[in-house]
Amino acid sequence: SYELTQPPSVSVSPGQTASITCSGDSLGDKYVCWYQQKPGQSPVLVIYQDTERPSGIPERFSGSNSGNTATLTISGTQAMDEADYYCQAWDSSTAYVFGTGTKVTVL
Amino acid sequence: QVTLKESGPALVKPTQTLTLTCTFSGFSLSTSGMRVSWIRQPPGKALEWLARIDWDDDKFYSTSLNTRLTISKDTSKKQVVLTMTNMAPVDTATYYCARTPGEHYYYMDVWGKGTTVTVSS
Repeated sequence: SYELTQPPSVSVSPGQTASITCSGDSLGDKYVCWYQQKPGQSPVLVIYQDTERPSGIPERFSGSNSGNTATLTISGTQAMDEADYYCQAWDSSTAYVFGTGTKVTVL
Repeated sequence: QVTLKESGPALVKPTQTLTLTCTFSGFSLSTSGMRVSWIRQPPGKALEWLARIDWDDDKFYSTSLNTRLTISKDTSKKQVVLTMTNMAPVDTATYYCARTPGEHYYYMDVWGKGTTVTVSS
């Protein structure tokens, strides 16, 4: 079955850039999206189709996808960005696949 | 405004069948391309996709759970129902439903708040 791997945690200072990776076989051939989940809340879509931002998502969130790795970048990270982040892709044999999740801590 | 809301029992016993209902508004599941999925999240763990039903009644299931899952829809009631048989304590989780807004889209743009299910005798 298809799997997506993320680092368990990422720490970033306020105002700095956080990069969260998501790895999977030939991931660049698939569309990847990213969700933000704060404690006790449901996930919120922050990036879809690799690079697109839904309405209402700040410009500091951006995405890329190439080769075997997709990356979510948070530029000028703010305290409100502290959350768990999950990547997700669609695989023809496994259907929807979520990544293992990354906890972003803003120190 | 698109909203989804999950409902169902908060507590089920091992071996019982769980039935969850997703009631949505702001879109129609008879619209070409529209899709609704169920996803779960055990406490402190990652998201896990369970099942999806499409506007044309196509259904897709998690390969690891497909023998236990059934998804269905009532378009007129704006509801999607998920049943999961033979529940076990490892199935304790928050269960979410979410919408995919089109046929060639593979993301879920609006999620419900989730419903927590505990499996215990």
